Amino acid sequence: AQSVTQPDIHITVSEGASLELRCNYSYGATPYLFWYVQSPGQGLQLLLKYFSGDTLVQGIKGFEAEFKRSQSSFNLRKPSVHWSDAAEYFCAVGDHSGYSTLTFGKGTMLLVSP
Amino acid sequence: DTEVTQTPKHLVMGMTNKKSLKCEQHMGHRAMYWYKQKAKKPPELMFVYSYEKLSINESVPSRFSPECPNSSLLNLHLHALQPEDSALYLCASSQHQQGDNNEQFFGPGTRLTVL
Repeated sequence: AQSVTQPDIHITVSEGASLELRCNYSYGATPYLFWYVQSPGQGLQLLLKYFSGDTLVQGIKGFEAEFKRSQSSFNLRKPSVHWSDAAEYFCAVGDHSGYSTLTFGKGTMLLVSP
Repeated sequence: DTEVTQTPKHLVMGMTNKKSLKCEQHMGHRAMYWYKQKAKKPPELMFVYSYEKLSINESVPSRFSPECPNSSLLNLHLHALQPEDSALYLCASSQHQQGDNNEQFFGPGTRLTVL
């Protein structure tokens, strides 16, 4: 069965500093990978996705992620964090061998300090 | 229109009430999903509809009853809920249920409180 691990429950970053959120997955084949962001009390917004091809994926709001098969990782990065980036971030893996359901990690809460 | 809408935004109900949550999308997506999300937890899949047919029921109690009247609408009927059912209920849709380029688009959710 597929699984996703986000090792950091909380991360605090100063505004303007760079950000990296970690995500490790377990899946038997090439996975579909996603990063979603959720502001308090809101739905999930897709930041970026990886299906195949170029392993460096660009997303919205200046985010990017790199798929590393050898490390089973899909870490999310941003060069300069803004206060509005404070939110919960979920990494998810999609199962494309059968029905396409998502397995989410537990999430990482990003706090941005002035 | 790249939006999934959900109504109501907030719902408070007693344990003997019957209520419904509504979800709508006009992106031509043929797969629709209900998730339950407790505070500080990831979403948990409840139901999946594919081409208006229920394809996945993740062992959800019968007090939750989904309905897909057409390809744009998804309802979740609630009856005799328990306080532990209080959560954010999220609806999502995707182009299909299988295949490439199949990301899910989420609605803003309905915040449900059961008294």
